[in-house]
Amino acid sequence: GAVVSQHPSRVICKSGTSVKIECRSLDFQATTMFWYRQFPKQSLMLMATSNEGSKATYEQGVEKDKFLINHASLTLSTLTVTSAHPEDSSFYICSARILNTEAFFGQGTRLTVV
Amino acid sequence: AQTVTQSQPEMSVQEAETVTLSCTYDTSESDYYLFWYKQPPSRQMILVIRQEAYKQQNATENRFSVNFQKAAKSFSLKISDSQLGDAAMYFCAYRRANNDMRFGAGTRLTVKP
Repeated sequence: GAVVSQHPSRVICKSGTSVKIECRSLDFQATTMFWYRQFPKQSLMLMATSNEGSKATYEQGVEKDKFLINHASLTLSTLTVTSAHPEDSSFYICSARILNTEAFFGQGTRLTVV
Repeated sequence: AQTVTQSQPEMSVQEAETVTLSCTYDTSESDYYLFWYKQPPSRQMILVIRQEAYKQQNATENRFSVNFQKAAKSFSLKISDSQLGDAAMYFCAYRRANNDMRFGAGTRLTVKP
């Protein structure tokens, strides 16, 4: 299947700083990318849907100024957690899709805010 | 709104035996897709099997098969000849055409040697 690379896999940052997570589709051009958040022993919760060249669509309850999403090209989407706080610590997963096909997932990023 | 329900938080199966994981969903759409994903301890999401709603035939992938009951909105996963490597979290997921994917709460599968 297609490969989606997410970087970094783990990051520790200080409270108040910003962290950027990258999601790249390596061997295909993704028309749509999705960002999920997963708390321990819980399911994946959709945060936002990102289409190349347009603004991301955020799910209800997700602060768009807190979680900045940029989808500047068909192979790259970034999620920036701004002014991170300990409660933002979580596992973040991206997925990418071409039109109406299945989605392929990145490896995930474990964010720890100290 | 579409919802996906997995009523079994945990399941256990003996190695080489068969286990069935349950999933129900709620939708008013007629065109959609259903998926089962496996998430091992590495937390990488791995597609196990997918089913298009318009197809009556149940999808099969080697030891994995589904029982898709469209009228009942049920989509169970059967794992035959269970292996130790099958131990993981299993998520049932629903997606409308060109829309985002919604996941169930997950079922943790343990395989006993």
